[in-house]
Amino acid sequence: GQNIDQPTEMTATEGAIVQINCTYQTSGFNGLFWYQQHAGEAPTFLSYNVLDGLEEKGRFSSFLSRSKGYSYLLLKELQMKDSASYLCAVMGYQKVTFGTGTKLQVIP
Amino acid sequence: DAGVIQSPRHEVTEMGQEVTLRCKPISGHDYLFWYRQTMMRGLELLIYFNNNVPIDDSGMPEDRFSAKMPNASFSTLKIQPSEPRDSAVYFCASSGLGTSVRPYTISTDTQYFGPGTRLTVL
Repeated sequence: GQNIDQPTEMTATEGAIVQINCTYQTSGFNGLFWYQQHAGEAPTFLSYNVLDGLEEKGRFSSFLSRSKGYSYLLLKELQMKDSASYLCAVMGYQKVTFGTGTKLQVIP
Repeated sequence: DAGVIQSPRHEVTEMGQEVTLRCKPISGHDYLFWYRQTMMRGLELLIYFNNNVPIDDSGMPEDRFSAKMPNASFSTLKIQPSEPRDSAVYFCASSGLGTSVRPYTISTDTQYFGPGTRLTVL
């Protein structure tokens, strides 16, 4: 089976940097995804990691350590519009399992 | 591309009624997923198809739920009879286009979600 853990809620200040962690236990690993979901909307794809290391994409970066079963999403220069839930999802042998998400609140 | 299309966007029905949710995946995608999202349980995978064939329906809660994919551009999720505990947002997602070339920014497993159907069963 698969188990994914991420914090339920986080609060950060506009302009700051925030790191959202995700740990997982999985039978088989074929990649880790981060999705962003604004309230009342569908999840949208942010990043994908299949090899160890950091993938940078503008203000967002995602890190993966397969040996530790660990990933984080780093958001820089936070903006109010970044207030959303961030879902960690792991691709096992045949399907993707989503974590319950981290609700990020950006405050002025 | 218009993205994944779902209908209806909102559905309110009474307990015992049949509900049919519809999904049109992104053209060229060969995987289609049905999810249910609630505050309590988060995003749950119900069933997914590959090339119109159901691969894993272990997430389907019970026999009241059924899903079909008669062709590559259309899928339905049916609940019969519906119950209040089925109230949730139902998302359809598709995947299948990507690259295996570094920097692996897009995977063939990257899923693109439709806007969802908000179902309320009274």
